[in-house]
Amino acid sequence: QKEVEQDPGPLSVPEGAIVSLNCTYSNSAFQYFMWYRQYSRKGPELLMYTYSSGNKEDGRFTAQVDKSSKYISLFIRDSQPSDSATYLCAMSKTGTASKLTFGTGTRLQVTL
Amino acid sequence: DGGITQSPKYLFRKEGQNVTLSCEQNLNHDAMYWYRQDPGQGLRLIYYSQIVNDFQKGDIAEGYSVSREKKESFPLTVTSAQKNPTAFYLCASAGTGELFFGEGSRLTVL
Repeated sequence: QKEVEQDPGPLSVPEGAIVSLNCTYSNSAFQYFMWYRQYSRKGPELLMYTYSSGNKEDGRFTAQVDKSSKYISLFIRDSQPSDSATYLCAMSKTGTASKLTFGTGTRLQVTL
Repeated sequence: DGGITQSPKYLFRKEGQNVTLSCEQNLNHDAMYWYRQDPGQGLRLIYYSQIVNDFQKGDIAEGYSVSREKKESFPLTVTSAQKNPTAFYLCASAGTGELFFGEGSRLTVL
């Protein structure tokens, strides 16, 4: 069993929809949680960074962490075609980049 | 513009050949990383370096080698000992925790 599980998709939604992307994990020591967005044939870029449990909002994006359920989510409101990408979750115990564990990524397609 | 430059973007290699992927950053970051990305798998750490002239193996270092002679540069050599080298390779750097990635190099072994 992988330490971090993420549905690969693809997930197809119409423009304007609310998107929910999720990861589950097995290691209760994870404290730092990240979401990266990766466009096709490009490197990932950091979208959201949260520590421990709770919610964090940034524009149309909300990251949610539920440590009791070992479950993290990324919500995208008013989705746009430019949101079409692969979304990777990543997490670590210490916050140092060398100890990150990545999910496999969920491919999202937002259609007109 | 500050960032990470990887070259080449695409590379073809015959079996048995070594190949070196270049990674240069002008973000003044101390730490640099090499990841491998395969379909259906998360990013896997190959090597990382937190300071010049020092580097550590990641989770899948076998068949790879690196050097860190300058702060700005962290080249990765894929040797003939790497059994399955066809993949997308990503270089990254970090200052205070956030990883900044390059655009990747796609290596295909013929």
